[in-house]
Amino acid sequence: GESVGLHLPTLSVQEGDNSIINCAYSNSASDYFIWYKQESGKGPQFIIDIRSNMDKRQGQRVTVLLNKTVKHLSLQIAATQPGDSAVYFCAEITNYGQNFVFGPGTRLSVLP
Amino acid sequence: NAGVTQTPKFQVLKTGQSMTLQCAQDMNHNSMYWYRQDPGMGLRLIYYSASEGTTDKGEVPNGYNVSRLNKREFSLRLESAAPSQTSVYFCASSEQGWAEAFFGQGTRLTVV
Repeated sequence: GESVGLHLPTLSVQEGDNSIINCAYSNSASDYFIWYKQESGKGPQFIIDIRSNMDKRQGQRVTVLLNKTVKHLSLQIAATQPGDSAVYFCAEITNYGQNFVFGPGTRLSVLP
Repeated sequence: NAGVTQTPKFQVLKTGQSMTLQCAQDMNHNSMYWYRQDPGMGLRLIYYSASEGTTDKGEVPNGYNVSRLNKREFSLRLESAAPSQTSVYFCASSEQGWAEAFFGQGTRLTVV
């Protein structure tokens, strides 16, 4: 069935370094992907999205890359800051846009 | 502008008790969702409502019922709570199924 997963459940990076969080998806028919950030005790918050007709999209300090050939999605955070510490989820939009399928999440810890 | 509001924030139930989780959004969104979040499992879709008057099952609907009361409100009901339903529940809404979803702060439910 459909599934979205992450290669690394935890990631620790030094403050100021770049972070890369990976995600694999299995439904080749999916055409929309979103990265969410979830801080402790809060609901997920939208970071950035990308449609399948693109392979890269940039936001403020974040870049999402999409490789449809290998069904892989990544989130790059430049100059990681303590405030970036959170769990990051990728979401795959399926079922003609009516269903968000989330991966299990990657915890990002920023070391001083 | 409150976004997505969930009540209550915390609840403890005894096995067999019933309760309704409330969700309201003030963004005039068409689509609304209920997710549960368990450690290591990510977010799993319970039910969704693509538009007012419609509801559909998600990945884990057993033991739950929903009501899309109007465009603003989408409630989740547990008729006979079980310990396996101990989880954090998130409500979300989006303008359309393929647009970013906005999440509430979550309801932490414990069933003893």
